[in-house]
Amino acid sequence: EPEVTQTPSHQVTQMGQEVILRCVPISNHLYFYWYRQILGQKVEFLVSFYNNEISEKSEIFDDQFSVERPDGSNFTLKIRSTKLEDSAMYFCASSESRDTATDTQYFGPGTRLTVL
Amino acid sequence: AQSVTQLDSHVSVSEGTPVLLRCNYSSSYSPSLFWYVQHPNKGLQLLLKYTSAATLVKGINGFEAEFKKSETSFHLTKPSAHMSDAAEYFCVVSDPLFGNEKLTFGTGTRLTIIP
Repeated sequence: EPEVTQTPSHQVTQMGQEVILRCVPISNHLYFYWYRQILGQKVEFLVSFYNNEISEKSEIFDDQFSVERPDGSNFTLKIRSTKLEDSAMYFCASSESRDTATDTQYFGPGTRLTVL
Repeated sequence: AQSVTQLDSHVSVSEGTPVLLRCNYSSSYSPSLFWYVQHPNKGLQLLLKYTSAATLVKGINGFEAEFKKSETSFHLTKPSAHMSDAAEYFCVVSDPLFGNEKLTFGTGTRLTIIP
């Protein structure tokens, strides 16, 4: 069964450093998402992406964050200058369409980001 | 705004006994509701979803959930727990009024199965 993959599974970085989290969505999917879960808190929506542009973003997704589909398979989340509070599990998801009523978002296993 | 409340952060049941994981939602329109499960070191997997059709929804692995609009609830049940059901369960809502692709998660319920 096709699945969403994410690398690395765990990333440790120093505060102020840039990090790139990578995701390979399911191959025929057109919509891509990033969510995050700070330890002990809810999974929160960050951003959705379609046709090479952001279609929706949350208030969390500020100028420090960016997303990109650099080639036909990868979908990346970049954090320009990491802060301690960026430490979280980051989940990538993909779907064929944007309508959750008719379609399903498939999630990857997550990347645990630790900012020291 | 849309939101979900999972009433129990941790539930323990004995193997072979029923499972009940509780969820209440808040939504301004006709929501879609989901239960996702996360096993250790795995992605979030969709168990089942409600999208304004039948109010009793059957999912994978013997789970089902009933949408009760009057109670704004979407509780997850299973008649007989299995050891493999031990995982974290998330109740999730999406609302067309707030952008249909955005999922809003509850805080999760950790299910422990006692042998």
